[in-house]
Amino acid sequence: GAVVSQHPSWVICKSGTSVKIECRSLDFQATTMFWYRQFPKQSLMLMATSNEGSKATYEQGVEKDKFLINHASLTLSTLTVTSAHPEDSSFYICSVWGTGRGYTFGSGTRLTVV
Amino acid sequence: AQTVTQSQPEMSVQEAETVTLSCTYDTSESNYYLFWYKQPPSRQMILVIRQEAYKQQNATENRFSVNFQKAAKSFSLKISDSQLGDTAMYFCAFMKHATSGGYQKVTFGTGTKLQVIP
Repeated sequence: GAVVSQHPSWVICKSGTSVKIECRSLDFQATTMFWYRQFPKQSLMLMATSNEGSKATYEQGVEKDKFLINHASLTLSTLTVTSAHPEDSSFYICSVWGTGRGYTFGSGTRLTVV
Repeated sequence: AQTVTQSQPEMSVQEAETVTLSCTYDTSESNYYLFWYKQPPSRQMILVIRQEAYKQQNATENRFSVNFQKAAKSFSLKISDSQLGDTAMYFCAFMKHATSGGYQKVTFGTGTKLQVIP
């Protein structure tokens, strides 16, 4: 099946700084990637859909200026949490859609803002 | 909009026994997919099993099988011969079928935490 690499697996940053999370599709070209947020003991909430070469589509209630998504190539999408605050601390997961393959998820990134 | 409901927040089962996790969903769509995902303590989401709504036959993957009742909009997961490695959060998920083979958003349930007891 498809392999999706997400990096870093965990990061601690100071309040007010920005953090970039990478999601790479290692074995096929992904025109569409998804970013989810998961709070402790809760389900995955879709934040945005990342389309290669175009602007991301954000879900209602997600601040696009806070969560910058770039999908510049068919194998890489990045999520940048800008001016992070403690309430942004969460587990972020990416997934990749492939026709015939379905969804494959990255291993997630635990963000802690102190 | 689709909704997915998992009414069992937590369950436990003795090793080697069988357990069934419940899932119901609500949709007006006639063609769709249903999934069960497993999220172990590592937090990696792993596809356990998937079912196409147009297929009457219940999907099976080794020790995992589903009971798909389309009219009742029910999609339960049965785990036979439970193993310690089955301890995880299990999420039921729904996705509309895309006519052109493109993507559709996945709607996840709230999850069931399964503990396999040695």
